[in-house]
Amino acid sequence: DVKVTQSSRYLVKRTGEKVFLECVQDMDHENMFWYRQDPGLGLRLIYFSYDVKMKEKGDIPEGYSVSREKKERFSLILESASTNQTSMYLCASTQEGQHNQPQHFGDGTRLSIL
Amino acid sequence: ILNVEQSPQSLHVQEGDSTNFTCSFPSSNFYALHWYRWETAKSPEALFVMTLNGDEKKKGRISATLNTKEGYSYLYIKGSQPEDSATYLCACLFNFGNEKLTFGTGTRLTIIP
Repeated sequence: DVKVTQSSRYLVKRTGEKVFLECVQDMDHENMFWYRQDPGLGLRLIYFSYDVKMKEKGDIPEGYSVSREKKERFSLILESASTNQTSMYLCASTQEGQHNQPQHFGDGTRLSIL
Repeated sequence: ILNVEQSPQSLHVQEGDSTNFTCSFPSSNFYALHWYRWETAKSPEALFVMTLNGDEKKKGRISATLNTKEGYSYLYIKGSQPEDSATYLCACLFNFGNEKLTFGTGTRLTIIP
Protein backbone atom coordinates (compact mmCIF):
# COMPACT_ATOMS: atom_id res chain seq x y z
CA ASP A 1 0.00 0.00 0.00
CA VAL A 2 1.09 3.55 -0.71
CA LYS A 3 2.00 5.45 2.39
CA VAL A 4 1.94 9.23 2.49
CA THR A 5 3.16 10.54 5.82
CA GLN A 6 2.74 14.08 7.08
CA SER A 7 5.04 15.08 9.90
CA SER A 8 2.42 16.46 12.30
CA ARG A 9 -1.30 15.90 12.85
CA TYR A 10 -1.70 19.10 14.86
CA LEU A 11 0.47 22.19 14.94
CA VAL A 12 0.12 25.53 16.69
CA LYS A 13 2.32 28.45 15.64
CA ARG A 14 2.41 32.20 16.12
CA THR A 15 1.85 34.96 13.60
CA GLY A 16 5.05 35.83 11.77
CA GLU A 17 6.77 32.48 12.37
CA LYS A 18 8.25 30.50 9.51
CA VAL A 19 6.42 27.16 9.41
CA PHE A 20 7.49 23.94 7.72
CA LEU A 21 5.05 21.16 6.87
CA GLU A 22 6.72 17.95 5.73
CA CYS A 23 5.36 15.17 3.55
CA VAL A 24 7.01 11.89 2.60
CA GLN A 25 5.74 9.18 0.25
CA ASP A 26 7.19 5.72 -0.15
CA MET A 27 6.02 4.68 -3.62
CA ASP A 28 8.44 6.56 -5.86
CA HIS A 29 5.65 8.76 -7.19
CA GLU A 30 6.62 11.57 -9.53
CA ASN A 31 3.79 13.93 -8.61
CA MET A 32 3.23 15.49 -5.22
CA PHE A 33 0.65 18.06 -4.14
CA TRP A 34 -0.19 20.36 -1.24
CA TYR A 35 -3.82 21.33 -0.58
CA ARG A 36 -5.68 23.19 2.09
CA GLN A 37 -9.21 22.41 3.23
CA ASP A 38 -11.44 25.07 4.74
CA PRO A 39 -15.10 24.77 5.81
CA GLY A 40 -17.49 25.22 2.88
CA LEU A 41 -14.69 25.10 0.32
CA GLY A 42 -13.30 22.21 -1.68
CA LEU A 43 -9.72 21.13 -1.45
CA ARG A 44 -7.69 23.98 -2.93
CA LEU A 45 -4.34 23.35 -4.54
CA ILE A 46 -1.46 25.41 -3.18
CA TYR A 47 1.54 23.99 -5.03
CA PHE A 48 2.46 20.83 -6.86
CA SER A 49 5.59 19.18 -8.17
CA TYR A 50 6.25 16.83 -11.08
CA ASP A 51 9.80 15.96 -10.19
CA VAL A 52 12.74 16.75 -7.96
CA LYS A 53 13.52 20.47 -7.78
CA MET A 54 10.49 21.18 -9.91
CA LYS A 55 7.44 23.10 -8.64
CA GLU A 56 4.36 24.75 -10.05
CA LYS A 57 1.91 27.15 -8.48
CA GLY A 58 -1.56 25.92 -7.79
CA ASP A 59 -4.64 28.05 -7.32
CA ILE A 60 -3.68 29.75 -4.02
CA PRO A 61 0.14 29.96 -3.77
CA GLU A 62 0.35 33.38 -2.10
CA GLY A 63 2.11 33.26 1.24
CA TYR A 64 3.54 29.78 0.62
CA SER A 65 6.60 28.23 -0.94
CA VAL A 66 7.66 24.61 -1.44
CA SER A 67 10.77 22.53 -1.64
CA ARG A 68 11.40 19.20 -3.32
CA GLU A 69 15.05 18.26 -2.90
CA LYS A 70 14.35 14.50 -2.96
CA LYS A 71 11.71 12.60 -4.89
CA GLU A 72 10.01 11.22 -1.80
CA ARG A 73 9.78 14.48 0.16
CA PHE A 74 7.72 17.59 -0.54
CA SER A 75 7.80 20.42 1.98
CA LEU A 76 5.35 23.28 2.32
CA ILE A 77 6.71 26.48 3.83
CA LEU A 78 4.73 29.34 5.29
CA GLU A 79 7.23 32.17 5.01
CA SER A 80 5.58 34.38 7.64
CA ALA A 81 2.52 32.71 9.10
CA SER A 82 -0.70 34.68 9.30
CA THR A 83 -4.01 33.88 10.98
CA ASN A 84 -5.73 33.36 7.61
CA GLN A 85 -3.43 30.39 7.06
CA THR A 86 -5.12 28.50 9.89
CA SER A 87 -6.43 25.45 8.05
CA MET A 88 -6.24 21.72 7.41
CA TYR A 89 -3.33 20.94 5.08
CA LEU A 90 -3.28 17.77 3.01
CA CYS A 91 -0.41 16.30 1.06
CA ALA A 92 -0.97 13.86 -1.81
CA SER A 93 1.06 11.94 -4.33
CA THR A 94 0.35 10.10 -7.54
CA GLN A 95 2.03 8.22 -10.32
CA GLU A 96 2.20 9.97 -13.68
CA GLY A 97 -0.95 9.99 -15.76
CA GLN A 98 -3.78 10.89 -13.40
CA HIS A 99 -6.44 10.09 -15.92
CA ASN A 100 -6.46 6.57 -14.54
CA GLN A 101 -4.56 6.89 -11.25
CA PRO A 102 -5.99 8.20 -7.99
CA GLN A 103 -4.16 10.53 -5.64
CA HIS A 104 -2.93 9.08 -2.35
CA PHE A 105 -3.36 11.37 0.64
CA GLY A 106 -1.70 11.83 3.98
CA ASP A 107 -3.71 12.14 7.20
CA GLY A 108 -3.54 15.92 7.15
CA THR A 109 -2.02 18.57 9.42
CA ARG A 110 -4.41 20.82 11.30
CA LEU A 111 -2.48 24.07 11.62
CA SER A 112 -3.53 26.88 13.92
CA ILE A 113 -1.86 30.28 13.68
CA LEU A 114 -2.35 32.39 16.81
CA ILE B 1 -12.31 29.06 -13.27
CA LEU B 2 -13.75 25.57 -13.62
CA ASN B 3 -16.45 24.69 -11.09
CA VAL B 4 -17.04 21.18 -9.88
CA GLU B 5 -20.26 21.16 -7.89
CA GLN B 6 -21.59 18.55 -5.53
CA SER B 7 -25.10 18.19 -4.18
CA PRO B 8 -26.46 17.94 -1.67
CA GLN B 9 -24.00 19.54 0.72
CA SER B 10 -25.08 17.19 3.50
CA LEU B 11 -27.37 14.23 3.85
CA HIS B 12 -28.80 12.15 6.69
CA VAL B 13 -29.87 8.63 5.77
CA GLN B 14 -31.41 5.89 7.87
CA GLU B 15 -29.32 2.75 8.21
CA GLY B 16 -30.37 0.22 5.59
CA ASP B 17 -31.69 2.82 3.14
CA SER B 18 -30.03 3.46 -0.21
CA THR B 19 -28.91 6.90 -1.28
CA ASN B 20 -27.21 8.79 -4.07
CA PHE B 21 -25.62 12.14 -4.68
CA THR B 22 -24.35 14.14 -7.61
CA CYS B 23 -21.22 15.70 -9.00
CA SER B 24 -21.60 18.22 -11.85
CA PHE B 25 -18.78 19.55 -13.98
CA PRO B 26 -18.21 21.43 -17.25
CA SER B 27 -18.18 18.83 -20.03
CA SER B 28 -15.78 20.71 -22.31
CA ASN B 29 -12.14 19.68 -21.82
CA PHE B 30 -13.17 16.94 -19.40
CA TYR B 31 -10.54 14.22 -18.97
CA ALA B 32 -11.25 12.18 -15.83
CA LEU B 33 -13.34 12.13 -12.68
CA HIS B 34 -12.27 10.88 -9.25
CA TRP B 35 -14.43 9.96 -6.25
CA TYR B 36 -12.90 9.90 -2.76
CA ARG B 37 -14.31 9.01 0.66
CA TRP B 38 -12.98 11.07 3.58
CA GLU B 39 -13.77 9.75 7.04
CA THR B 40 -13.18 11.93 10.08
CA ALA B 41 -9.59 11.74 11.38
CA LYS B 42 -8.47 9.69 8.38
CA SER B 43 -7.00 10.47 4.98
CA PRO B 44 -9.19 10.69 1.86
CA GLU B 45 -9.43 7.29 0.23
CA ALA B 46 -9.89 6.79 -3.51
CA LEU B 47 -13.10 5.05 -4.54
CA PHE B 48 -13.19 5.35 -8.32
CA VAL B 49 -11.40 6.94 -11.25
CA MET B 50 -13.60 7.22 -14.34
CA THR B 51 -12.91 8.53 -17.81
CA LEU B 52 -15.37 7.11 -20.34
CA ASN B 53 -18.89 8.34 -21.04
CA GLY B 54 -21.40 5.78 -19.79
CA ASP B 55 -18.85 4.14 -17.53
CA GLU B 56 -20.14 2.47 -14.40
CA LYS B 57 -17.92 1.24 -11.57
CA LYS B 58 -18.74 -0.74 -8.47
CA LYS B 59 -17.00 -1.44 -5.17
CA GLY B 60 -19.10 -3.51 -2.79
CA ARG B 61 -22.28 -1.56 -2.02
CA ILE B 62 -20.98 1.62 -3.67
CA SER B 63 -21.24 2.34 -7.38
CA ALA B 64 -20.76 5.34 -9.65
CA THR B 65 -21.85 6.36 -13.11
CA LEU B 66 -20.44 8.95 -15.47
CA ASN B 67 -22.05 11.10 -18.18
CA THR B 68 -19.35 13.19 -19.83
CA LYS B 69 -21.65 14.71 -22.46
CA GLU B 70 -23.97 16.35 -19.95
CA GLY B 71 -21.32 16.73 -17.26
CA TYR B 72 -22.40 14.73 -14.24
CA SER B 73 -21.60 11.69 -12.15
CA TYR B 74 -23.76 9.91 -9.58
CA LEU B 75 -22.49 8.02 -6.57
CA TYR B 76 -24.86 5.37 -5.21
CA ILE B 77 -24.71 3.62 -1.85
CA LYS B 78 -26.95 0.59 -1.42
CA GLY B 79 -28.13 -0.46 2.04
CA SER B 80 -26.29 2.27 3.98
CA GLN B 81 -24.26 1.23 7.02
CA PRO B 82 -22.88 3.41 9.84
CA GLU B 83 -19.36 2.98 8.45
CA ASP B 84 -20.49 4.77 5.28
CA SER B 85 -20.66 8.03 7.26
CA ALA B 86 -18.04 10.26 5.64
CA THR B 87 -17.56 13.19 3.31
CA TYR B 88 -17.57 12.12 -0.33
CA LEU B 89 -15.38 14.21 -2.60
CA CYS B 90 -15.59 14.48 -6.35
CA ALA B 91 -12.69 15.85 -8.37
CA CYS B 92 -12.14 16.38 -12.09
CA LEU B 93 -9.10 16.44 -14.29
CA PHE B 94 -9.43 18.64 -17.36
CA ASN B 95 -7.49 18.38 -20.57
CA PHE B 96 -5.22 21.36 -20.10
CA GLY B 97 -1.93 19.52 -20.15
CA ASN B 98 -1.40 19.47 -16.40
CA GLU B 99 -2.19 17.12 -13.53
CA LYS B 100 -4.33 19.51 -11.48
CA LEU B 101 -7.50 18.10 -9.98
CA THR B 102 -10.40 20.48 -9.33
CA PHE B 103 -12.36 19.38 -6.27
CA GLY B 104 -15.99 19.89 -5.36
CA THR B 105 -16.92 20.93 -1.84
CA GLY B 106 -18.06 17.43 -0.93
CA THR B 107 -21.23 15.75 0.29
CA ARG B 108 -21.25 15.00 4.00
CA LEU B 109 -23.18 11.77 4.59
CA THR B 110 -24.39 10.75 8.05
CA ILE B 111 -25.98 7.34 8.55
CA ILE B 112 -28.50 7.25 11.38
CA PRO B 113 -28.48 3.87 13.20
